[in-house]
Amino acid sequence: DAKTTQPTSMDCAEGRAANLPCNHSTISGNEYVYWYRQIHSQGPQYIIHGLKNNETNEMASLIITEDRKSSTLILPHATLRDTAVYYCIVRPLSNFGNEKLTFGTGTRLTIIP
Amino acid sequence: NAGVTQTPKFQVLKTGQSMTLQCAQDMNHNSMYWYRQDPGMGLRLIYYSASEGTTDKGEVPNGYNVSRLNKREFSLRLESAAPSQTSVYFCASSPGRGRPYNEQFFGPGTRLTVL
Repeated sequence: DAKTTQPTSMDCAEGRAANLPCNHSTISGNEYVYWYRQIHSQGPQYIIHGLKNNETNEMASLIITEDRKSSTLILPHATLRDTAVYYCIVRPLSNFGNEKLTFGTGTRLTIIP
Repeated sequence: NAGVTQTPKFQVLKTGQSMTLQCAQDMNHNSMYWYRQDPGMGLRLIYYSASEGTTDKGEVPNGYNVSRLNKREFSLRLESAAPSQTSVYFCASSPGRGRPYNEQFFGPGTRLTVL
């Protein structure tokens, strides 16, 4: 799976949009970008995934550059409950049931009141 | 639905003791996983089970064994615990075979300390 690079930490004011970047310059054509987050002392939670088109769901938006070498997760109106470590993961789409996730150290996002 | 449940929540062992961590899911998922997370680190995969009756090693399998008891349950056993196994253990499940997106759903974790 392609390696990802994320900033170690970021702050964002409550109510503002939080933009979390991720570099994945070695991504292959069949690899998707996934985002998970881990709130303190809890298990990770799936947020969103995408291939090359921008994606949006009830939690966030995912913007992937045209060359697919980087992406940005956007939390449109950050709340204190969004304080967490955010993981960007790249892996191939598969339906074999062996979809191993490789977690790096992620970005620690702190929402400031 | 309870999702993914893990027992116990906390455990303290002495070096050389054995124990089994239990995991169950009620989402009818085919695939299940065990990860460990050391302080300040990301999660690392220990073992996984792509379907009932199959198990495979992940990134850090040494010192562990697993059993996929049935479709719902996937247990992790430490035969002779060592201080290096002090960690937080997370179980996860995903829909698995035939479901290509396969986001994983995680349990609340078991915090294990080996003295």
